[in-house]
Amino acid sequence: EAGVTQSPTHLIKTRGQQATLRCSPISGHTSVYWYQQALGLGLQFLLWYDEGEERNRGNFPPRFSGRQFPNYSSELNVNALELEDSALYLCASSSSGYSNQPQHFGDGTRLSIL
Amino acid sequence: KNQVEQSPQSLIILEGKNCTLQCNYTVSPFSNLRWYKQDTGRGPVSLTIMTFSENTKSNGRYTATLDADTKQSSLHITASQLSDSASYICVVSTTSGYALNFGKGTSLLVTP
Repeated sequence: EAGVTQSPTHLIKTRGQQATLRCSPISGHTSVYWYQQALGLGLQFLLWYDEGEERNRGNFPPRFSGRQFPNYSSELNVNALELEDSALYLCASSSSGYSNQPQHFGDGTRLSIL
Repeated sequence: KNQVEQSPQSLIILEGKNCTLQCNYTVSPFSNLRWYKQDTGRGPVSLTIMTFSENTKSNGRYTATLDADTKQSSLHITASQLSDSASYICVVSTTSGYALNFGKGTSLLVTP
């Protein structure tokens, strides 16, 4: 069974640019979650998508947005990039949005802002 | 406010030794608690999951305990190996919709 895949592995941008990160969940999983992991900090919840709809979002500004496609893959968009957006962005998927369902993580996209 | 506190922040042990990582939480209402292992540059991988009624769960050399009364959990690693070097993250879920509360992790380094 293929795991959660994320692309690209690394992404380098400059301040003010826009970044798009992509995630393919495990086959059969309908829920996709996005997290930000800045250096030295814990995982910060960004967004949760289930069945194509945004179900919840964390305490991040509106320039962080995303969507989930009919095949349940997802993309995260970050507009007007700032230096503090440099972080590892992790995507996870689960078979449903219930908290008793384990989340399976991809290996992340390392976003660096110059 | 729901919080998850992990200690120690970092730990260095010799290969073959045992160690115990701690997780204290104030999350309510409690649903379950998971321990994840995150290798450098990789995504977290689930080690154990414990519900309210479970107080011990093992996965190979990893043994997690849960005291729901005191809201404390521990992860014990037996006979450590170099490959155990990683960050260990405690995650506590609530029963109210989506709500995962992450600790900041304990960084473990196992040295030869």
